[in-house]
Amino acid sequence: SQQGEEDPQALSIQEGENATMNCSYKTSINNLQWYRQNSGRGLVHLILIRSNEREKHSGRLRVTLDTSKKSSSLLITASRAADTASYFCATDGGTGRRALTFGSGTRLQVQP
Amino acid sequence: DSGVTQTPKHLITATGQRVTLRCSPRSGDLSVYWYQQSLDQGLQFLIQYYNGEERAKGNILERFSAQQFPDLHSELNLSSLELGDSALYFCASSPRDYADTQYFGPGTRLTVL
Repeated sequence: SQQGEEDPQALSIQEGENATMNCSYKTSINNLQWYRQNSGRGLVHLILIRSNEREKHSGRLRVTLDTSKKSSSLLITASRAADTASYFCATDGGTGRRALTFGSGTRLQVQP
Repeated sequence: DSGVTQTPKHLITATGQRVTLRCSPRSGDLSVYWYQQSLDQGLQFLIQYYNGEERAKGNILERFSAQQFPDLHSELNLSSLELGDSALYFCASSPRDYADTQYFGPGTRLTVL
C-alpha cells in the first residue's frame, strides 16, 4: 500500500512558472526524498531532507518538511519543458527503515 | 546514468511461465532493492538484500524470489506468471543497509500474455 499521497495528481503549467507538489505520509520518518521519473524510465533522485530539517534547496528545487503535519512540498522554480515528468515522494517509514515507500506521484506537464 | 544496470529491458512471456530479471548495482553499493511499478498499485517495494543477505521484505508474492550473489549482482525470479504480473520491475542500489538515497536502474518491462 502507498504510504504517501501526492497532490495534485496532475499539474500543467507554462514554461517559466513555478510548480508546487505536495506529499503527505503516515508514519514517523528519518528522511523524505523526492524522485523524478520520465515516462517509463528509471527514477532519478532529486533531493533528500532529514526529519530534523525544515527546508532544503538544490538548484531550482526547494523542499519543505513539516513532521508535525506529516507533509512535504516540492517547489520547482522557473520550470522548463525538460521538467515534464512524474514526481514521487518517498519515505523510509516502515520496513525497518530499510526500504522506501513511495507516494502515488504527481504528473507535471510543462508547456513550452 | 545511475550506474545500475538491468537486463533484459523488455520481456514478453506467457502465463504460467518463469522468468529471471538481473540487476548489477553501482560499484561499491552493497544494498540491492527490487520494486514493482504497475498502473493500479504504483511503486511497491518487493525485497532488499545487503551484502548477500535478505534484509527486508515488502509486498512480494510467494511465487517471486530473489537472491544476491557474492559479486553483489542480484536476480529476481518470477514464476507461475499471471497477467497481473505485467509491470515495470526496477532494481535500485545504495551503499548502506538503510533507506538513504537509492540509485535506480532503467527497469525491465515485463509483459505476460
